[in-house]
Amino acid sequence: AQTVTQSQPEMSVQEAETVTLSCTYDTSESDYYLFWYKQPPSRQMILVIRQEAYKQQNATENRFSVNFQKAAKSFSLKISDSQLGDAAMYFCAFQYFAGTASKLTFGTGTRLQVTL
Amino acid sequence: EPEVTQTPSHQVTQMGQEVILRCVPISNHLYFYWYRQILGQKVEFLVSFYNNEISEKSEIFDDQFSVERPDGSNFTLKIRSTKLEDSAMYFCARRALAEDTQYFGPGTRLTVL
Repeated sequence: AQTVTQSQPEMSVQEAETVTLSCTYDTSESDYYLFWYKQPPSRQMILVIRQEAYKQQNATENRFSVNFQKAAKSFSLKISDSQLGDAAMYFCAFQYFAGTASKLTFGTGTRLQVTL
Repeated sequence: EPEVTQTPSHQVTQMGQEVILRCVPISNHLYFYWYRQILGQKVEFLVSFYNNEISEKSEIFDDQFSVERPDGSNFTLKIRSTKLEDSAMYFCARRALAEDTQYFGPGTRLTVL
């Protein structure tokens, strides 16, 4: 079974600064996908960024980038130039495909506070 | 990105009652998922649905739960006899055949009294 661990229950960053959220996972699969989802107070789950395990290049979406270390099974999220609207819960998630099975396995989340 | 709508946004029910949560994908996506999130906890997978059949389910998805796509459009999650511990946010997600990303609806908050 796959597991996803987020060891930082809470993080804080000042506006305009950079913050990194950690995520590690455990799997015996070699081909899989990793995601970061954002959950603001509205509780909607919003996709932030995705990474395909077979790609060595780290994914980037505007101010959001990842540091994907496949051998270490690590998938951290870096938020640059933090904005007040970035304040939310961030969930790391793992997905692999086996036939029609394709569920997401989530970590416990990191609550990000953004201060002035 | 294509949207998913969920109804109702909030449902309050008495313990032992049946509830039906609805998910309406805007596009005709092939894979549908239900997840739940108990307040303050992580998001947990319940069930996935493909080609009008359950493709995968978790240990949480017991005989109390059922899913169907009754009219080819709505995708429903039914809880037959609700318990206090069923109180949670329930999210529907959908994924297109050629994609790997699941997109979530806004969720339904279920409160069981």
